[in-house]
Amino acid sequence: DTGVSQDPRHKITKRGQNVTFRCDPISEHNRLYWYRQTLGQGPEFLTYFQNEAQLEKSRLLSDRFSAERPKGSFSTLEIQRTEQGDSAMYLCASSRRWGFQETQYFGPGTRLLVL
Amino acid sequence: GQQLNQSPQSMFIQEGEDVSMNCTSSSIFNTWLWYKQEPGEGPVLLIALYKAGELTSNGRLTAQFGITRKDSFLNISASIPSDVGIYFCAGGGETSGSRLTFGEGTQLTVNP
Repeated sequence: DTGVSQDPRHKITKRGQNVTFRCDPISEHNRLYWYRQTLGQGPEFLTYFQNEAQLEKSRLLSDRFSAERPKGSFSTLEIQRTEQGDSAMYLCASSRRWGFQETQYFGPGTRLLVL
Repeated sequence: GQQLNQSPQSMFIQEGEDVSMNCTSSSIFNTWLWYKQEPGEGPVLLIALYKAGELTSNGRLTAQFGITRKDSFLNISASIPSDVGIYFCAGGGETSGSRLTFGEGTQLTVNP
């Protein structure tokens, strides 16, 4: 039983470049979440999918950010025209809801550094 | 927005000591989760709580879901060096919907 995987683990880019991250959830998990974590803070919610539908987006998710989950399996998070303030750890989590219970399991994260 | 107040921010203890940390919120949550995060890694789930008043143990870890649904605590008994890391509480459900709202973390250092 493999956990959530994310690729790449690290990304260094220059300001203004586009970057794309991938998340592969735990198989049979129908919900997938993206969070962002800056140094010294807890993760902050960005967006989530149930199957292929994007159900909620945080106001943190500016127009430069877009997320997709085309077949309800893996997901991608793209940041266009990166800014130095985008430097952070981007975390993916997946879950499956059982009645009122839902537990999110996190991947190892993608650490982004924008120069 | 919603905020979770997690305390203490950091703890320095000797191996073998017990540890207690807690989270409080101004909002009600349906779920409380506790995670541990080590440098460069994602949060790892320790304990999940789904019912007000619930007390759950996982080895040396014990956590409780407060009766008011606005707080939770985590205890670690007989700490060991590998307990070092940042512990996060997270609340989910009710007004937050499916998203998790995290505390700012408790940095735990265990001296051998």
